[in-house]
Amino acid sequence: EPEVTQTPSHQVTQMGQEVILRCVPISNHLYFYWYRQILGQKVEFLVSFYNNEISEKSEIFDDQFSVERPDGSNFTLKIRSTKLEDSAMYFCASSAQSSYNEQFFGPGTRLTVL
Amino acid sequence: AQSVTQLGSHVSVSEGALVLLRCNYSSSVPPYLFWYVQYPNQGLQLLLKYTTGATLVKGINGFEAEFKKSETSFHLTKPSAHMSDAAEYFCAVDSTGGGNKLTFGTGTQLKVEL
Repeated sequence: EPEVTQTPSHQVTQMGQEVILRCVPISNHLYFYWYRQILGQKVEFLVSFYNNEISEKSEIFDDQFSVERPDGSNFTLKIRSTKLEDSAMYFCASSAQSSYNEQFFGPGTRLTVL
Repeated sequence: AQSVTQLGSHVSVSEGALVLLRCNYSSSVPPYLFWYVQYPNQGLQLLLKYTTGATLVKGINGFEAEFKKSETSFHLTKPSAHMSDAAEYFCAVDSTGGGNKLTFGTGTQLKVEL
């Protein structure tokens, strides 16, 4: 069964460093998303991406964040200068279409900023 | 603005007992509601969703949920718990009209005991 994969499963970085979280969505999907969950808090929407551009983003997704689909398979989230409060589990998701099609989630990348 | 409240961060039931996980939502427009389940070290998996039509929706693994507009609730139930149901369950709402920006609750960890 096709699935969304994410690498690495756990990333540890120093404050101020850049990190890139990688996702491989399901191959025929067209819509891509990033969510994050700070420990003990809600899963929060960050951004949605379609046709090589951001279709929607939350207030969390500021200039420190960027997304890219560098090739036909990967979907990346970059944090330019990490802060302690960026420590969280980051989930990638993809869907075949919009309009309430199921979003398929990856297992997440746990980011720890020291 | 939309929000989701899940009452009870931890719920424990005996095997064979009724499972009831509570979810209340806030939305300024007719909502679309979802339940996701997360097993350890895996991504979020869609259990069921309500978009329009019948207010009682059935999902995978014997779960069902009922949309009650008057109570702004979308509680998840299963008549008889199984050990394999032990997982974390997330309620989510989308009321943006696009179906691709989910707002999640904080999750409920379900424990099933012998």
